[in-house]
Amino acid sequence: DTAVSQTPKYLVTQMGNDKSIKCEQNLGHDTMYWYKQDSKKFLKIMFSYNNKELIINETVPNRFSPKSPDKAHLNLHINSLELGDSAVYFCASSPAWGELFFGEGSRLTVL
Amino acid sequence: DAKTTQPNSMESNEEEPVHLPCNHSTISGTDYIHWYRQLPSQGPEYVIHGLTSNVNNRMASLAIAEDRKSSTLILHRATLRDAAVYYCILRFMEYGNKLVFGAGTILRVKS
Repeated sequence: DTAVSQTPKYLVTQMGNDKSIKCEQNLGHDTMYWYKQDSKKFLKIMFSYNNKELIINETVPNRFSPKSPDKAHLNLHINSLELGDSAVYFCASSPAWGELFFGEGSRLTVL
Repeated sequence: DAKTTQPNSMESNEEEPVHLPCNHSTISGTDYIHWYRQLPSQGPEYVIHGLTSNVNNRMASLAIAEDRKSSTLILHRATLRDAAVYYCILRFMEYGNKLVFGAGTILRVKS
C-alpha cells in the first residue's frame, strides 16, 4: 500500500502542451510538497500546501499551478510546456514539522 | 538559506562503517540537521535528524559537533543497498517545513 503515490510515472509530450501530474498520500499528513529534480540531479522545492492552503511558493513560472482539492491530494498542472520543464517531479508529504515522505517521482520529457 | 558542504563522493567496502561528513558553519541556533538519502531511481527517504545531541536510530547514527558547525552521518555496516546520494540539510523552522537540498554525497559501496 503505497504511502505517497504519483501518476503518471512517465510522461512524454510535445512543447506547448498542457499536462498534469497527480499525487495522493494515505498517511493522514497535513502538508504536501512538489519538488523538481533536474538533469543535474539538484532537488528544488516548488510548492508546499498545508491543509489545502499554499504556504511555500518558490520562484516558479506561472505556467505551474498546484491544486489541492483536499489534504490528501496535491496535483501539479503545467501549461505551455517548455523543453526546460523536462525533469523528475517528486511529490512528498509530512506531518507539520516531521520528516518528509516522498513518492517515486514522475519523469516528464518534453520534446 | 544556510549552506551545507559535503564531499562529492565517497567509497566504502561492504560490511564496514561509513562516516559521511557535513559542514554547516553558518548554522543558526534553531536549525535542525537532517539527513536524507536517495537510492537510484527512487524518491529521497528520511534517514535521521538532530539538533544538538548525537542521535541513533535503526538506520544510522548522527554525531553533531559541540559547536554544531559540522556533523557526521555514520552507517555502522554498509551494505550494497546503502549505495545512494546522501543529503545533509538544515531545516529552517521560520520558513515552514522547508528542506533545501544541496548536491549531496554519492556513496559507492564495493563488495
